[in-house]
Amino acid sequence: GAVVSQHPSWVICKSGTSVKIECRSLDFQATTMFWYRQFPKQSLMLMATSNEGSKATYEQGVEKDKFLINHASLTLSTLTVTSAHPEDSSFYICSASRTAVETQYFGPGTRLLVL
Amino acid sequence: AQTVTQSQPEMSVQEAETVTLSCTYDTSESDYYLFWYKQPPSRQMILVIRQEAYKQQNATENRFSVNFQKAAKSFSLKISDSQLGDAAMYFCAYRSQGNLIFGKGTKLSVKP
Repeated sequence: GAVVSQHPSWVICKSGTSVKIECRSLDFQATTMFWYRQFPKQSLMLMATSNEGSKATYEQGVEKDKFLINHASLTLSTLTVTSAHPEDSSFYICSASRTAVETQYFGPGTRLLVL
Repeated sequence: AQTVTQSQPEMSVQEAETVTLSCTYDTSESDYYLFWYKQPPSRQMILVIRQEAYKQQNATENRFSVNFQKAAKSFSLKISDSQLGDAAMYFCAYRSQGNLIFGKGTKLSVKP
């Protein structure tokens, strides 16, 4: 149990376009989902926390108008990178947990390359 | 603010031997959770082991065990009978009511 999927696993896009990444909890209901960004050889940096049916909470320094997060159901959260630029190229990882205080289970990540 | 420190950027172990990865944390809270996650080259984050702070007994999962010292705020991971597949980045993480706070990670190499 506790499987989280992410789609797509990698994406290449042109500068100025928008990219949507999906995160799904496959065998449990996730009231809370998290979005992280990871640069090469670094730890995970939390971008935002989303609770089902409410607005996401963004970490300091993360532009909420650029990184749109939607958590419309207990099994799906999406991250949309709007007007992507090369500096947005990174590895994006989502995680999900049944409640805000339980274990987080991670998706396999999405590699984004903006040309 | 809570912090997590992993003082060993890299570690190496011989196959079948035992290795211990260090982690210390700082918090003023009494109720929290501690985790070790593994990130192999595929970059999938995999939960290795979890410890509730209120439990005195150290968590164990097959070849993986922890030495949890609450007073010292120390949470080390011991890997016994190391296997080639254990080679990965290992992240120690802390969680209370809020988000996961990660250490910077320890890169573990396993020599055949």
